Amino acid sequence: KAGVTQTPRYLIKTRGQQVTLSCSPISGHRSVSWYQQTPGQGLQFLFEYFSETQRNKGNFPGRFSGRQFSNSRSEMNVSTLELGDSALYLCASSLSLAGEEEQYFGPGTRLTVT
Amino acid sequence: AQTVTQSQPEMSVQEAETVTLSCTYDTSESDYYLFWYKQPPSRQMILVIRQEAYKQQNATENRFSVNFQKAAKSFSLKISDSQLGDAAMYFCAYRSGGTSYGKLTFGQGTILTVHP
Repeated sequence: KAGVTQTPRYLIKTRGQQVTLSCSPISGHRSVSWYQQTPGQGLQFLFEYFSETQRNKGNFPGRFSGRQFSNSRSEMNVSTLELGDSALYLCASSLSLAGEEEQYFGPGTRLTVT
Repeated sequence: AQTVTQSQPEMSVQEAETVTLSCTYDTSESDYYLFWYKQPPSRQMILVIRQEAYKQQNATENRFSVNFQKAAKSFSLKISDSQLGDAAMYFCAYRSGGTSYGKLTFGQGTILTVHP
């Protein structure tokens, strides 16, 4: 079974631009979560989707948004990019929202904002 | 809000020896799950071990075991017979069993170096 895939793996953008990152969960998984990893702030939760609905949201500005499609694939969008948005963006999928379900992480998208 | 603290930014161990990574957490919830994740240089997060708060027995996965002290809110990871492939950043993480569902709250991480 294929793991979680994220595209693109690397991205360079300029301040003020917007970016869309994609995450394809493991087949059969319906929950997708997104995390931002930076050296200064560590790993921070962005949001979680299940059955095309956002179920939980972290403490990030409205420039960060996401969505989930009927096939459980998810995208996150960052508008008006700032230098501080440079980070590794990780997504994770799980079968359901149940607390005991293991989350499987993708390899991440490395975003650099110049 | 829940917090997770890893007080050891870096640890090192000799190959074949044992090392313990520390983690403490703060929560007012009674239903939750604790995890240790490994992140090697490839950046791929890998689940090492997990513990359900309602279970008193400490979890064990091959060379990895935890010491879960619920009253003290402590959750340490012991790696026995350390191998070169264990070198990575290790994160302790908390997840509520309630309505927060999948959200993981991570500690700051501990970089583990394994010396041959």
